Amino acid sequence: EDQVTQSPEALRLQEGESSSLNCSYTVSGLRGLFWYRQDPGKGPEFLFTLYSAGEEKEKERLKATLTKKESFLHITAPKPEDSATYLCAVRPNSGNTPLVFGKGTRLSVIA
Amino acid sequence: GAGVSQSPRYKVAKRGQDVALRCDPISGHVSLFWYQQALGQGPEFLTYFQNEAQLDKSGLPSDRFFAERPEGSVSTLKIQRTQQEDSAVYLCASSFGTGEKLFFGSGTQLSVL
Repeated sequence: EDQVTQSPEALRLQEGESSSLNCSYTVSGLRGLFWYRQDPGKGPEFLFTLYSAGEEKEKERLKATLTKKESFLHITAPKPEDSATYLCAVRPNSGNTPLVFGKGTRLSVIA
Repeated sequence: GAGVSQSPRYKVAKRGQDVALRCDPISGHVSLFWYQQALGQGPEFLTYFQNEAQLDKSGLPSDRFFAERPEGSVSTLKIQRTQQEDSAVYLCASSFGTGEKLFFGSGTQLSVL
């Protein structure tokens, strides 16, 4: 069964305090790993897609990396506006299988 | 439209009532997905359309749940005889291709009393 586990469940950071979020996955062949950001009362918003081990993507203070078993979302010098829930999802490599999401990490950045 | 539009934004139903949730995807997007998100959880897949064809409905929790997309654009998720455990946010997403990058609506928050 395809599974995604995210840790920690919640993370509280001071502004400027860098950290990483973890996404571990078990999947029958990986077509892609996705990171989304979700603000309260909104739908998830696409951040990155990673396709193969060793790949990295960056956007502003965020950098996503991928290994064969997990992905990390590194947040450098976060600001309060980075506070959100970050969701990881995988697309199994079989037919039209939809995205399988983890439960997310709730990030709070305190000024 | 500029994004995926869902209505109503909030829906309160008495247990046993039928509800219909609407999704208007981004124009030209072939694929449409429905997800259910319980409080504090990630989105759980319900069903998937490619144009008007429902290709996967394996995530629908019971036969009380029904979805359609008759003209390959707007979709409706219908829940019959609602129960308290149906309370959740129902998210709709669309994509240009077969689901690589999803664009989500803001969801419909359903509360069943």
